[in-house]
Amino acid sequence: NAGVTQTPKFQVLKTGQSMTLQCAQDMNHEYMSWYRQDPGMGLRLIHYSVGAGITDQGEVPNGYNVSRSTTEDFPLRLLSAAPSQTSVYFCASSSGTQRSELFFGSGTQLSVL
Amino acid sequence: DQQVKQNSPSLSVQEGRISILNCDYTNSMFDYFLWYKKYPAEGPTFLISISSIKDKNEDGRFTVFLNKSAKHLSLHIVPSQPGDSAVYFCAASAGSNDYKLSFGAGTTVTVRA
Repeated sequence: NAGVTQTPKFQVLKTGQSMTLQCAQDMNHEYMSWYRQDPGMGLRLIHYSVGAGITDQGEVPNGYNVSRSTTEDFPLRLLSAAPSQTSVYFCASSSGTQRSELFFGSGTQLSVL
Repeated sequence: DQQVKQNSPSLSVQEGRISILNCDYTNSMFDYFLWYKKYPAEGPTFLISISSIKDKNEDGRFTVFLNKSAKHLSLHIVPSQPGDSAVYFCAASAGSNDYKLSFGAGTTVTVRA
């Protein structure tokens, strides 16, 4: 019963480096999303996808790219990391039916120096 | 500008007593409200929800109350247990986009033995 799996759990980057945060779900969920959690701000939606091949921007999309080539995977790319992207990142998935629950991964703690 | 606000960053309560967590929202289009619970180093997990057509929803020790006219909801935990010590996030969604959640900043609950 894996649910939503995120890798890595921790990452330290230097300003300007690029990296990809991985997210996979095994529940055949159509909807997947990325949130970031910052102190005093709660969770904010970065990007989301309602199905393979379809992505859209959330509340704070700048500096991040996503793609959805399969139902299972939804990677988040940082092309040129900035200190402002230091945060905890959560991937979530949902069946997408009305009033369906969001299932979250355990998070990736990212520090950009 | 945050549309969901949890103005109490922390709450300390004695075991066996009631915990009351408050949440306010500004977007009148929100029609579905949820509470998520988060332990350290884990992702948020769904706790309880309420639709705008109701004013109360109960699940065991957890009850959520909704006051639409005041744009306010609260979560009651009775009785509080040590395992309830966690961060609680209030979240809301609008219309058919109920997989796109707006979150509050969270309230850290500590249950004292």
